[in-house]
Formats: sequence, structure tokens, C-alpha cells
Amino acid sequence: DAGVIQSPRHEVTEMGQEVTLRCKPISGHNSLFWYRQTMMRGLELLIYFNNNVPIDDSGMPEDRFSAKMPNASFSTLKIQPSEPRDSAVYFCASRKGQVMNTEAFFGQGTRLTVV
Amino acid sequence: AQKVTQAQTEISVVEKEDVTLDCVYETRDTTYYLFWYKQPPSGELVFLIRRNSFDEQNEISGRYSWNFQKSTSSFNFTITASQVVDSAVYFCALSEAEWTEYGNKLVFGAGTILRVKS
Repeated sequence: DAGVIQSPRHEVTEMGQEVTLRCKPISGHNSLFWYRQTMMRGLELLIYFNNNVPIDDSGMPEDRFSAKMPNASFSTLKIQPSEPRDSAVYFCASRKGQVMNTEAFFGQGTRLTVV
Repeated sequence: AQKVTQAQTEISVVEKEDVTLDCVYETRDTTYYLFWYKQPPSGELVFLIRRNSFDEQNEISGRYSWNFQKSTSSFNFTITASQVVDSAVYFCALSEAEWTEYGNKLVFGAGTILRVKS
């Protein structure tokens, strides 16, 4: 199993540009999470999907952030327009089933730098 | 609402010392799961252990051990005879059992940076 795959691994962009982060969950996992990690805030849950449906997006910081999951094998997190304070490592994680007893498997993260 | 607190921002120890990482959680549920993850300098998050709320038996895996105290809502992690390779950020996480057709989210604490010096 290839695990959770995120792309790109690193992204440097200028303020105001649109940024799209991509995630391919583990096959058969039906919950998908987007987290953001910064020194100041630690690991924050931005949004999570179950069976491709967004369930809780209360962690999405602003309207500039949006996430989609058009099918079971792909999700995107988009920031438009990007700002320097969006610089962080963004993790995608997937989890099998809808119950609380399964661990989430994480991708290697996308390190975003907005200059 | 579920919440996980890791009060220790950073801990530094000398190799071979024992170290305990604290985790305190809040939940309305009587059934829930707790997790520990390790994030080494390479950046990936590695699952270490899961524990359900009905199992308060301590668990030991090699140099790692976990102490679950439901009465104090704590799930502490101890590394015995620490090694330099244990240097990492350690996260505690909680998943509530409240069943919804929408699944259960996984909420993390802020993490504890562990530095083990040789």
C-alpha cells in the first residue's frame, strides 16, 4: 500500500496567488482529514470528509480556504488568494471506517511558503 | 466538545533518562479512543498506540509505556532509558464515540517537543 500521498511536497508562492494542495487517501479509507501545522498553533484540524461529504469545516480559517473531495480517491485544499500567514505544513490523513477506534494515517505533508 | 491538552511544550533530557509526556483530555462521552503519534525530524506522523476508554490497563511496548487514568482524564506516555532517536514531537489525540452517520473526528493536542541529548 502506498499510503496517503500528498502533492506537492513543497510549494513556494507569492502572496495573492492561488494554491492547490492535493491528497490521495489510502484505498478503502472513507474518512479524510486536512490538518495544518504551525509553530504557534500546533496541529489544527481544518476540515474532514466522510464518504466524500464534508462533515465539519469549522476549522477552516477563512473563506479564502476551500476543500473538495470529488471522489473517494482524491481531495484538494485550495487557498485563494494566499497570504504569508498561510505558510505552514499541511497534512492530509485518511482513516478506515466511520468509527472512532481506527487510527488515521498521514501523508508526508506539503510545506507551503507564501512570500 | 472534545479537547486535548499537552501542557509540556518542550522537554530536554540526557540519554538514558526516563521521561514522561503528559496528556489530559476533555470529553462528554463515556466511550472514546485515545492515541499517541510521533513526529520525528523528517516530518511524518507515525501512529504509536490507541487505547479505548474501557481499558485502563497500562500498556508496555519495549521502552514505551502508557498510563491511562480515567479518573484524572489523563493518558501519559513514558519512555524508559531514552535515546537520541526518540527526539521528536509527540502528539496525543482523542476521538469521541458519539455516533453520527457522519463519522468521528480526530482532535490533537499541541504536541510536546522531546529533545534527547547524548
